[in-house]
Amino acid sequence: EIVLTQSPGTLSLSPGDRATLSCRASESISKTYLAWYQQKPGQAPRLLIFGASRRATGVPDRFSGSGSGTDFTLTISGLEPDDFAVYYCQQYSSSLTFGPGTKVDIK
Amino acid sequence: QVQLEESGPGLMKPSETLSLTCTVSGVSVSSQSSYYWTWIRQPPGKGLEWIGYIHYSGSTNYNPSLKSRVTISLDTSKNQFSLRLSSVTAADTAVYYCARGYYDYRHGMDVWGHGSTVIVSS
Repeated sequence: EIVLTQSPGTLSLSPGDRATLSCRASESISKTYLAWYQQKPGQAPRLLIFGASRRATGVPDRFSGSGSGTDFTLTISGLEPDDFAVYYCQQYSSSLTFGPGTKVDIK
Repeated sequence: QVQLEESGPGLMKPSETLSLTCTVSGVSVSSQSSYYWTWIRQPPGKGLEWIGYIHYSGSTNYNPSLKSRVTISLDTSKNQFSLRLSSVTAADTAVYYCARGYYDYRHGMDVWGHGSTVIVSS
């Protein structure tokens, strides 16, 4: 099973700041099957990025994804108040796994 | 507009079998497309755990850690898919989500239900 590690566990930032979230896989994965989700308290996750760098429908362009192999990054350029949430990366090979999440909170 | 809605028992006792249903609207579960009808769960205060999926063809794929206890099935007449998890324990207490995996997960899970809380307690 491929294990995903996310860092940092918590990111304390101010509105307008740039957020850089890391997702590392225990072995090389196809970027085709790397996705990012946002989850707010009491809500279901929301798909942000699929295929490592493709924005889902309706996702603002301040969200961007990059990476390949074992290292992937989600960047939020200019945090809006609505962006403070938990972010999960997810991969699918023969089995699907999520990272433990990065919480982006207000500094 | 595609929508998913979970329904389930809420409260269960240890050793019972959990049954959850996801009702799908806006698309047919038997649509000959690359949708993976998926179950995911989230224990209180913790992260997301994939349980498994079913494809319209009937093929399934389960999390190896749950495989011995899990069955996911389709009911095309009701446009639903269901989860059965046997021999539940307190560790199965979680919010259970159904979701649509799109294009064999290459486009991620793009539609989610609101979640159904299941508490296992004696």
